[in-house]
Amino acid sequence: GAVVSQHPSRVICKSGTSVKIECRSLDFQATTMFWYRQFPKQSLMLMATSNEGSKATYEQGVEKDKFLINHASLTLSTLTVTSAHPEDSSFYICSAPPGQGSGYTFGSGTRLTVV
Amino acid sequence: ELKVEQNPLFLSMQEGKNYTIYCNYSTTSDRLYWYRQDPGKSLESLFVLLSNGAVKQEGRLMASLDTKARLSTLHITAAVHDLSATYFCAVDPTSGSRLTFGEGTQLTVNP
Repeated sequence: GAVVSQHPSRVICKSGTSVKIECRSLDFQATTMFWYRQFPKQSLMLMATSNEGSKATYEQGVEKDKFLINHASLTLSTLTVTSAHPEDSSFYICSAPPGQGSGYTFGSGTRLTVV
Repeated sequence: ELKVEQNPLFLSMQEGKNYTIYCNYSTTSDRLYWYRQDPGKSLESLFVLLSNGAVKQEGRLMASLDTKARLSTLHITAAVHDLSATYFCAVDPTSGSRLTFGEGTQLTVNP
């Protein structure tokens, strides 16, 4: 089945630095990628939708300048958390839309800790 | 705005018992998804329900969808400890548009 490879799985960074998270579709082309954030003991909240060749669509309340999303090719979407702060510490998960009759494919997630 | 509600949010049950998790949603949709999440891990797809009346079973889990009632159920039969996890339902009224998740049900199966 479809596989989305997400890296890194864990990252610890200092306040004020930037972190890039990558999601690659390994055996299919993804023109769209969804980016979710999950705080402990909570559900997944959609942050933004990246589209290959065009600007990302951000959900209300998500800072575009802080969470930079790029969909450089049909197999790569990236999320960069700029000037990270401790409140950005969370679990970030990417997801590709479903194929015919199948479900959404999720990356393995990135645990970001900002110290 | 689409709302997806699960209940219960917390479920503690004994091994061998049966129980049902409910998922209600507020907008018409023919598609509903169930996922399992273990601590520190991403989501694992359990069921994809794509039509009214759909019923799917895998091991001790069975999911069903009633689009008219806007209700899905996840039934657990003879629970075992390995089923302990958080279970999410999610809906996308338009295929491939976006998923809206329920709050999740944290299931603990006790020996």
